[in-house]
Amino acid sequence: AQSVTQLDSQVPVFEEAPVELRCNYSSSVSVYLFWYVQYPNQGLQLLLKYLSGSTLVKSINGFEAEFNKSQTSFHLRKPSVHISDTAEYFCAVRDTGGFKTIFGAGTRLFVKA
Amino acid sequence: ETGVTQSPTHLIKTRGQQVTLRCSSQSGHNTVSWYQQALGQGPQFIFQYYREEENGRGNFPPRFSGLQFPNYSSELNVNALELDDSALYLCASSLDQGNYEQYFGPGTRLTVT
Repeated sequence: AQSVTQLDSQVPVFEEAPVELRCNYSSSVSVYLFWYVQYPNQGLQLLLKYLSGSTLVKSINGFEAEFNKSQTSFHLRKPSVHISDTAEYFCAVRDTGGFKTIFGAGTRLFVKA
Repeated sequence: ETGVTQSPTHLIKTRGQQVTLRCSSQSGHNTVSWYQQALGQGPQFIFQYYREEENGRGNFPPRFSGLQFPNYSSELNVNALELDDSALYLCASSLDQGNYEQYFGPGTRLTVT
């Protein structure tokens, strides 16, 4: 069965500092990987995705994630965070032939001034 | 283009009652998935509907049921409510059943007392 582990429940960081949110997954089949962001009182928004090809994927607002098959990881990074990045971030996995997306428990990123 | 909408925003029910939550999918999308997000956890897949048929289900009991209508809007019904059913219920639509990209609504917050 697939599962997703987000190693940090909360990550406090100062504005303009770098951040890494960690995600590990387990699956016996080929997968798609996703990062979603959830702002307070809102639904989830897709931040970035890995489907195939280049293992480094980037979002339009400066986040990037790297798929590491040997370590079964998909960590999310940003070199310099803003106050507006404060949100809950969810890592998710879906097998390439399936319909079910499995989410991690989430990491709350709190950016301090 | 209208996004995914859900109603009601909030709902309070008593244990043992029944509830119906509604979702309007994004224009052109024929697939709807429902998720339960308990406090402090990631979303958990309940089921998916494609062209009015349930085509996948997570580990939820039969008292969780759904419908999808010809216009692809959807309902989630929960019978015999339990305290543990208190959660944010998210609806997500996608262009097709095989399409990985899901667009989430803002959710319905259900409280069972």
